[in-house]
Amino acid sequence: DTAVSQTPKYLVTQMGNDKSIKCEQNLGHDTMYWYKQDSKKFLKIMFSYNNKELIINETVPNRFSPKSPDKAHLNLHINSLELGDSAVYFCASSQEGGVEGTQYFGPGTRLLVL
Amino acid sequence: GDSVTQMEGPVTLSEEACLTINCTYTATGYPSLFWYVQYPGEGLQLLLKATKADDKGSNKGFEATYRKETTSFHLEKGSVQVSDSAVYFCALSPTQGGSEKLVFGKGTKLTVNP
Repeated sequence: DTAVSQTPKYLVTQMGNDKSIKCEQNLGHDTMYWYKQDSKKFLKIMFSYNNKELIINETVPNRFSPKSPDKAHLNLHINSLELGDSAVYFCASSQEGGVEGTQYFGPGTRLLVL
Repeated sequence: GDSVTQMEGPVTLSEEACLTINCTYTATGYPSLFWYVQYPGEGLQLLLKATKADDKGSNKGFEATYRKETTSFHLEKGSVQVSDSAVYFCALSPTQGGSEKLVFGKGTKLTVNP
């Protein structure tokens, strides 16, 4: 039933490791996003994909690489994790065009880098 | 660039008090405006939205009116409940549909005491 799901919900790892976060939506939307929420709750867009193509790439280190195998999935791979990567990462999706383009968010993945 | 400014928190109220959380925006064109809510330990949920000037969004007793002349979208509720305790985010999307990136305010934490 879950519209936008993310795995894992919690991720604790050591500095320097490589990790992936997965996102899936069953809403039939064609646009997906990754947002980062820092310790002060500030939310900022990282990436946006439309029909598997990268649309938005904000100033994010190239250690972060999104991958969209199909329009229902947008995964986030992070290389060489740093302490500053600790945050909550939210996936979202929307249907492009029209006034019903509201973004629907997943539950978040809480990443802690030690 | 586009930006959203919302009142700093935290805000602490007693049950049944009136709530106003101020939000103003800067944007070119005609953005869509949103209020999202994040309950403790959860992801973001859309609370309400408005896509054009003078529209009023409403949900769960909350209301906000899109005021182009004052570039504002203040969130109001006449009588808050303990269950309204959460972080509230004002956001805009540059397009009417909302399918581009969302630009968020910094969030306002609301605590409602019995």
